[in-house]
Amino acid sequence: NAGVTQTPKFRILKIGQSMTLQCTQDMNHNYMYWYRQDPGMGLKLIYYSVGAGITDKGEVPNGYNVSRSTTEDFPLRLELAAPSQTSVYFCASSQGGNQPQHFGDGTRLSIL
Amino acid sequence: AQSVTQPDIHITVSEGASLELRCNYSYGATPYLFWYVQSPGQGLQLLLKYFSGDTLVQGIKGFEAEFKRSQSSFNLRKPSVHWSDAAEYFCAVGHYSSASKIIFGSGTRLSIRP
Repeated sequence: NAGVTQTPKFRILKIGQSMTLQCTQDMNHNYMYWYRQDPGMGLKLIYYSVGAGITDKGEVPNGYNVSRSTTEDFPLRLELAAPSQTSVYFCASSQGGNQPQHFGDGTRLSIL
Repeated sequence: AQSVTQPDIHITVSEGASLELRCNYSYGATPYLFWYVQSPGQGLQLLLKYFSGDTLVQGIKGFEAEFKRSQSSFNLRKPSVHWSDAAEYFCAVGHYSSASKIIFGSGTRLSIRP
């Protein structure tokens, strides 16, 4: 059972570079989420999607973009990396907005 | 505004001792409540959830939590902790009508003293 798979696990970027964090789930969940986790700050919602073709902003969307062309995939794009985006990023999915979320193992991203 | 507070940043308990992790919430409607656990280098795993009904809910790994509406609390308990329980614990609150309204607390790190 793969669940939610995130790639890569680690990445170092230079300021101004761009990259895409990949997330895929095999549970046929309609809802998918991207969070960032900073030390002592819990999880902050970046973007979420309630189904293919539908995305919406969360609490901290600036500097990020997402797309949802299929039910399985929900990539997160950083266009111009900034040191403030150094964080651990988690992708999650759920059957519905009030249902428990299933998390990937995270991507640790450093911007230098 | 909705919020979730976990007052304890770090707790250390002895192996075999009982555990209670505190969670208080501020929410304008009947909430859905969750506890998650995060082991180092991993994502969050659901321990238990409360949607409605019996206010004492049982979860995995011997954990339980009690919803107290009058105190706006949803504290996590375990009668006897094991070394493998050392992890970060997150309380979360949501509402049935909105996917974007799940709010996570800042977490409590649990250490186990041998």
